[in-house]
Amino acid sequence: EAEVAQSPRYKITEKSQAVAFWCDPISGHATLYWYRQILGQGPELLVQFQDESVVDDSQLPKDRFSAERLKGVDSTLKIQPAELGDSAMYLCASSLTTGSYNEQFFGPGTRLTVL
Amino acid sequence: DQQVKQNSPSLSVQEGRISILNCDYTNSMFDYFLWYKKYPAEGPTFLISISSIKDKNEDGRFTVFLNKSAKHLSLHIVPSQPGDSAVYFCAASGGEYGNKLVFGAGTILRVKS
Repeated sequence: EAEVAQSPRYKITEKSQAVAFWCDPISGHATLYWYRQILGQGPELLVQFQDESVVDDSQLPKDRFSAERLKGVDSTLKIQPAELGDSAMYLCASSLTTGSYNEQFFGPGTRLTVL
Repeated sequence: DQQVKQNSPSLSVQEGRISILNCDYTNSMFDYFLWYKKYPAEGPTFLISISSIKDKNEDGRFTVFLNKSAKHLSLHIVPSQPGDSAVYFCAASGGEYGNKLVFGAGTILRVKS
């Protein structure tokens, strides 16, 4: 069964360091999403790609976060510099298209701890 | 301002009984609602959904009910099984959010054997 792959699964870093997360969506899925889930809360969308283009990054803290999907397939989310408040689960999801009724498939996530 | 609310942080149910998880929303423009289940150390997995043109959708042991006038939906699991123990997230899309999912904070379900 096709799955969304993410790496690393766990990352511990010190504040002010740079971190990067990688996501490989299900083959053929044009839409890719990065979510952040803080403990005790639901996932919150950070950025959404349609192919290689960003279609929504309204909740992305652009002073320290960046995301790219250069060839419209896999994607990288970067944080530089990391802050204590960035400790969270970072989830990647993909869907066939951007339509409302297109199911989003989630990867296992990257658990980030900033010390 | 939370637009999707799951007011019960946790729920404990005996195996074989019904589990009812509740979700309220404030944005009347939401037109599609979903439930996701999440096990520890895994990403959320889609469980069941319902369009705003319906008031009920059933899939095996899982049924979602939508009450648009009350802006309320619920997930019924009958009968509950120990393997159903997980975090359940309610999500909504539509209106100005388009296909963007707005999630509730989740409810931890524990099914005791």
